[in-house]
Amino acid sequence: EVQLVESGGVVVQPGGSLRLSCAASGFTFDDYTMHWVRQAPGKGLEWVSLISWDGGSTYYADSVKGRFTISRDNSKNSLYLQMNSLRTEDTALYYCAKGPYSSSWDGEFDLWGRGTLVTVSS
Amino acid sequence: QSVLTQPPSASGTPGQRVTISCSGSSSNIGSNTVNWYQQLPGTAPKLLIYSNNQRPSGVPDRFSGSKSGTSASLAISGLQSEDEADYYCAAWDDSLNAVVFGGGTKLTVL
Repeated sequence: EVQLVESGGVVVQPGGSLRLSCAASGFTFDDYTMHWVRQAPGKGLEWVSLISWDGGSTYYADSVKGRFTISRDNSKNSLYLQMNSLRTEDTALYYCAKGPYSSSWDGEFDLWGRGTLVTVSS
Repeated sequence: QSVLTQPPSASGTPGQRVTISCSGSSSNIGSNTVNWYQQLPGTAPKLLIYSNNQRPSGVPDRFSGSKSGTSASLAISGLQSEDEADYYCAAWDDSLNAVVFGGGTKLTVL
């Protein structure tokens, strides 16, 4: 079955760190760019970051630049998001999403996971 | 404040045709393709339209997309109760080097 499964979401204090994971299955993971997209409770979608098929290109939203790091391990069919210096405004459901190309990108996400909830609160 | 501008709400009765607009600028919609997503309550978003007007396999032809200049539109014809959802537009922005989303439109089927 073609799917993405996120994990790692927990309650963390402001200033803390967290690493999210996304396990891919059912498709050739290293053929595609991967993304993280988040959705704060009751709010709209916000793109967070992307990584090209080989990890050679990464981009970040201004809101997370310098605090979050996206990475991937193609041997494990896994995508990661290292989140440091967390703020209350980072509280959201974090989705892993697949792009349709290996090393070009636009706003097209053709496969989504169900998300993992990150809550930043003291 | 979203980079792409959508109306916060839209509504229609069963069988009607509704359109949802998405307004951007030369750095995003004006120079890149637009994609649309449907998010049913309590579920992950689903790709509805890609490359301005293409439907993924399985998406009914009641859904259509168009783009002109720095604006795009999603049209839903033959509105059904199961179309009640949030709809988002998205595009790459060449100035921000980022994917930008619209704020979302909540569609209500009356």
